[in-house]
Amino acid sequence: QKEVEQNSGPLSVPEGAIASLNCTYSDRGSQSFFWYRQYSGKSPELIMFIYSNGDKEDGRFTAQLNKASQYVSLLIRDSQPSDSATYLCAVNGGGSTLGRLYFGRGTQLTVWP
Amino acid sequence: EAQVTQNPRYLITVTGKKLTVTCSQNMNHEYMSWYRQDPGLGLRQIYYSMNVEVTDKGDVPEGYKVSRKEKRNFPLILESPSPNQTSLYFCASSRDSKDSPLHFGNGTRLTVT
Repeated sequence: QKEVEQNSGPLSVPEGAIASLNCTYSDRGSQSFFWYRQYSGKSPELIMFIYSNGDKEDGRFTAQLNKASQYVSLLIRDSQPSDSATYLCAVNGGGSTLGRLYFGRGTQLTVWP
Repeated sequence: EAQVTQNPRYLITVTGKKLTVTCSQNMNHEYMSWYRQDPGLGLRQIYYSMNVEVTDKGDVPEGYKVSRKEKRNFPLILESPSPNQTSLYFCASSRDSKDSPLHFGNGTRLTVT
């Protein structure tokens, strides 16, 4: 059983602050890493994906990957109340588990005005 | 519009009465998958399919069946539903199984009494 662990939360930050979401994974063969956002009662939607070590920026979002430490994070700059949601980290299976996608249990983020 | 369509959105049924949840995608995606989401447990993969006529078990396949006779459709079948299958179900698809992000359907909330 491959494990994906996220900081349990809930996480609460003021508007305009940086929100930091963390995720660790157990499968060293994993190559693809995703962050999804899920509003209550809705389906998950893709925020970012990252495949290579280092940082990847898209607007207010930055994903960071460190394969040696088996760690992936998501930073949200200038947080807005509309960012309040549950954030899901997902990691693909490597090797014999290719085709599997493993999700963490999610971190609930609240951005207060 | 590119989308994954699940039906029905809500379903209440009784123990033992066979049901099918349909899933269809119009993006010509190779990969399709079913997840269930339960409070505190996150998204767990039920079954996935990397191509037509190819299906594999995920983490929680017991009590479920799937088929992939056509590329666009991936129905989820509960032959004899039980109350522990009460959950929120999501169908998802992606271009391939290796590193493409998932597109999710709107979800099916199933209650088995």
